[in-house]
Amino acid sequence: DTGVSQNPRHKITKRGQNVTFRCDPISEHNRLYWYRQTLGQGPEFLTYFQNEAQLEKSRLLSDRFSAERPKGSFSTLEIQRTEQGDSAMYLCASSQAGDTQYFGPGTRLTVL
Amino acid sequence: GESVGLHLPTLSVQEGDNSIINCAYSNSASDYFIWYKQESGKGPQFIIDIRSNMDKRQGQRVTVLLNKTVKHLSLQIAATQPGDSAVYFCAERLTGTASKLTFGTGTRLQVTL
Repeated sequence: DTGVSQNPRHKITKRGQNVTFRCDPISEHNRLYWYRQTLGQGPEFLTYFQNEAQLEKSRLLSDRFSAERPKGSFSTLEIQRTEQGDSAMYLCASSQAGDTQYFGPGTRLTVL
Repeated sequence: GESVGLHLPTLSVQEGDNSIINCAYSNSASDYFIWYKQESGKGPQFIIDIRSNMDKRQGQRVTVLLNKTVKHLSLQIAATQPGDSAVYFCAERLTGTASKLTFGTGTRLQVTL
């Protein structure tokens, strides 16, 4: 499968713990995006990278959230000191320049 | 399985009928629009896109219509099949941003036999 992949698919954690998610984009895509989706809502933009540079961050991305794309390929999204309100599906997408964004399967986070 | 959207507007159609899903977008400065299909527990799947210099685009069994005057987007699915059952989202991108998509609320399509 040459699409966007995300790991883990599911994560259950206790409040206050740190979690890290990984996204592997489609190999030739230079842009990578993170979105968050809660039940009954459409995905909401969090941040995006062009190659290794993080070019835009949403106000939704609090100080507890950090994203990296160190070599311009895979990306990680870390949430520190998780809260119950962080429970959501975290989606990654990639694109070639400004073209169509293709989404991965998502990581479902549950904070107890 | 888990549900993508619990309280979404729902469109029920019979197998073989045509479906029309509507979307009102928010920003007249948007220049690019996409329809995604999302099945329960999965990420959004690209269906079709359209740029603001067009008012119609056709794909395989799908057609997207764009009316910029009233900021309205629609997705038409011909000969709807059970596999089309999912939640459908429209998304817009602001001119010059070249980055984030802003998604609409979503519509659940239920195909009955």
